[in-house]
Amino acid sequence: DVVMTQSPLSLPVTLGQPASISCRSSQSLVHSDGNTYLNWFQQRPGQSPRRLIYKVSNRDSGVPDRFSGSGSGTDFTLKISRVEAEDVGVYYCMQGTQWPLWTFGQGTKVEIK
Amino acid sequence: EVQLVESGGGLVQPGESLRLSCAASGFTFRNYWMSWVRQAPGKGLEWVASIKQDESEIYYVDSVKGRFTISRDNAKNSLYLQMNSLRAEDTAIYYCARIMVRSFDCWGQGTLVTVSS
Repeated sequence: DVVMTQSPLSLPVTLGQPASISCRSSQSLVHSDGNTYLNWFQQRPGQSPRRLIYKVSNRDSGVPDRFSGSGSGTDFTLKISRVEAEDVGVYYCMQGTQWPLWTFGQGTKVEIK
Repeated sequence: EVQLVESGGGLVQPGESLRLSCAASGFTFRNYWMSWVRQAPGKGLEWVASIKQDESEIYYVDSVKGRFTISRDNAKNSLYLQMNSLRAEDTAIYYCARIMVRSFDCWGQGTLVTVSS
């Protein structure tokens, strides 16, 4: 199985400042079809997860453009350009390349300093 | 608007059974793979099971194989998870999720399953 490792696991941030979360996979997430199925999810306190990013860098509908995804192979990053109060929560990366054995990272808790 | 509404959770004793349901609306249910994903209290997300549109392909995480059964009724726009021989470690919120682009693009609100004596 592909192991997903996130860092940091806790990220205190100042409102208006940028934030960055790293996600590394134990093997390349490049699929034989040429796509890389790396996703990012946000889970606000008390809510269900919500997908933010799919295939590394594609934002879902309604996701603010302050969220961006990048990376390739085994190393990926989620960036928030300017953190807002509503961004507090836990962020998960997840691989879909090894379908149907999806695996998630441990989660990164973003909180306001 | 896409909606997924889970039901059927509750408190059961170890070894007992429970059947979860997920009612889908706002999209053509029969056209999508569907999944169950769970989250133990205070823990991360874990994929549990997935089912193809016509039930011809079904997959489970190793820890539930032989105990859980995923199924669907396309005529009723519903997804199910039959859980047998429940263990304490199955305690979690169970989410129904739609699969799109090899990922989970829509999630329900979840239903809590507690396994405890």
